[in-house]
Amino acid sequence: GQQLNQSPQSMFIQEGEDVSMNCTSSSIFNTWLWYKQDPGEGPVLLIALYKAGELTSNGRLTAQFGITRKDSFLNISASIPSDVGIYFCAGRLPSKKLVFGKGTKLTVNP
Amino acid sequence: GAVVSQHPSRVICKSGTSVKIECRSLDFQATTMFWYRQFPKQSLMLMATSNEGSKATYEQGVEKDKFLINHASLTLSTLTVTSAHPEDSSFYICSAPRDNSYEQYFGPGTRLTVT
Repeated sequence: GQQLNQSPQSMFIQEGEDVSMNCTSSSIFNTWLWYKQDPGEGPVLLIALYKAGELTSNGRLTAQFGITRKDSFLNISASIPSDVGIYFCAGRLPSKKLVFGKGTKLTVNP
Repeated sequence: GAVVSQHPSRVICKSGTSVKIECRSLDFQATTMFWYRQFPKQSLMLMATSNEGSKATYEQGVEKDKFLINHASLTLSTLTVTSAHPEDSSFYICSAPRDNSYEQYFGPGTRLTVT
């Protein structure tokens, strides 16, 4: 079945550093979504991307939808301790189902 | 912003009993909702698609008679775990795509423990 390749699997950074993670797919998706999940909570939508080549920001977060619609990256600038969590990318199918990456676990050291 | 709620957030039940979990979209309509199961340190596993006004569709390997889904209205879907066993213990999460939008929102999850 379809799946997204998300990397890296985990990151350990110092507070204040910038972070970058990405997802690639063998299939085209018309919508890419980035989520953050804290332990014991449901995923929270961070950014939604609709157009190929689109660059969208949400505060310190910036995400881009690849021009081929087969990839996307998420950047976090000037990380803070509350950025800790697991970040998932997801591609949306026409059925509205989501195909997820396996997640990037981010640890921020104060 | 859009919000999806789940109730209960945590439930402990005895083996053999049934448990109902509710998923509500609080400020938007959702003709379709999804139910997921998540194991520790893993991504979300789609169980079924809940469709308002019609039967749910289940992913391969998910027992429809064990995981009963009812989409009673445009804002409410319920998942009932019937005759629960310890192996059903997990974190269950619902999601709701906002109608006429590409955005999809998740509930906070329900931690089910079957003793």
